[in-house]
Amino acid sequence: EVQLVESGGGLTQPGGSLRLSCVVSGFDFSRYSMNWVRQAPGKGLEWISYISGTSGTIYYADSVKGRFTVSRDNAKNSLYLQMNSLRAEDTALYYCSRCSGWYRDAFDIWGQGTTVTVSS
Amino acid sequence: QSVLTQPPSVSGAPGQRVTISCTGSSSNLGAGYDVHWYQQLPGTAPKVLIYGNNNRPSGVPDRFSGSKSDTSASLAITGLQAEDEADYYCQSFDGSLSAYVFGAGTKVTVL
Repeated sequence: EVQLVESGGGLTQPGGSLRLSCVVSGFDFSRYSMNWVRQAPGKGLEWISYISGTSGTIYYADSVKGRFTVSRDNAKNSLYLQMNSLRAEDTALYYCSRCSGWYRDAFDIWGQGTTVTVSS
Repeated sequence: QSVLTQPPSVSGAPGQRVTISCTGSSSNLGAGYDVHWYQQLPGTAPKVLIYGNNNRPSGVPDRFSGSKSDTSASLAITGLQAEDEADYYCQSFDGSLSAYVFGAGTKVTVL
């Protein structure tokens, strides 16, 4: 079964850091690009980062550029998001999702998300 | 302000047809990048509904269809059913931003 499981969310103060993880199973992780997408409470989806299968191409949304770093470990079937200098507006449910070439780069598989709360 | 513009809400009676528009620009939809549509039911992760402008993944009913023309795209739902009540998002890539972009989402209400 294809599965993405996020972890690492929690409560942190403004200016703090968190590291999110996404462990995948059921497919050849190294062959797929991956994304992080977040959803603030009651709001829409916001794409925040993309990483190619080899880590050779990385993109960030302007809202997180310079503060967040995406990485992956293909040997561990894991995707990461290092989040520094966190702000209240980073409070959201964070999803990892798979980019499928078969589906013309649509995000075809999503995890259930991990919640990040930034508050003093 | 989202790069892709969607109406906040649409509604229809059961059995009716509703459409959701997604308007972009020359750096995303107009540049030839594909548009994809996602359905998000309350309390669940998004699910791809239409990929590559007008293709349905296996298991998605043919009541859902997509189209794209230049800088605009649309999702149509025919034979609206109560289970179609959800939020719908369009998504594409923006070449000027080097970023993936989502519309702000459209809430579909079945009257």
